[in-house]
Amino acid sequence: AQSVTQPDIHITVSEGASLELRCNYSYGATPYLFWYVQSPGQGLQLLLKYFSGDTLVQGIKGFEAEFKRSQSSFNLRKPSVHWSDAAEYFCAVVIYNTDKLIFGTGTRLQVFP
Amino acid sequence: DSGVTQTPKHLITATGQRVTLRCSPRSGDLSVYWYQQSLDQGLQFLIHYYNGEERAKGNILERFSAQQFPDLHSELNLSSLELGDSALYFCASSPGDPGELFFGEGSRLTVL
Repeated sequence: AQSVTQPDIHITVSEGASLELRCNYSYGATPYLFWYVQSPGQGLQLLLKYFSGDTLVQGIKGFEAEFKRSQSSFNLRKPSVHWSDAAEYFCAVVIYNTDKLIFGTGTRLQVFP
Repeated sequence: DSGVTQTPKHLITATGQRVTLRCSPRSGDLSVYWYQQSLDQGLQFLIHYYNGEERAKGNILERFSAQQFPDLHSELNLSSLELGDSALYFCASSPGDPGELFFGEGSRLTVL
């Protein structure tokens, strides 16, 4: 079955440090992949998406993600983290031939000053 | 502000009761999705409506039902509530691009 896996439940970084959040997908064809962010007490917000083409995609708030077919990965990166980036991050995939968006278990990011 | 409105924001009720959660999508969005978020299950897709018609079902219990009305707002009905139904219920709308959802702030349901 198509799915995404986020191996890291919780990550802590210092403000100004670089960030990489991992996401692995299970899918036969080229998947539609997404990263969403959920700030405390808020709904989810789309950060970026990958459908096809350039494997490095840019999103909002200075985030980027790279699609690597050979590793079945779609990792989220940011060169310098701000305290306001503290939130939960979800990787997601659209199930083939449907409109169903399936989420990973999420990674909680904590940022220390 | 995503433009998606959910009411109520918080709801406390007792086991065996029935509640209705309401969602108003962004202006112009025809698709409405419902998700349940809990600590043990994570974010679970419940159901998707497009322009009044059910398009896909996920892990939605038989005690739960939903509909989308002609004005495109949607309601999620939860009946015979159990303690385990306590969760955050999100509504999201979409203009149609796969996976591009705009989420409301959720309705937090507590069943005592």
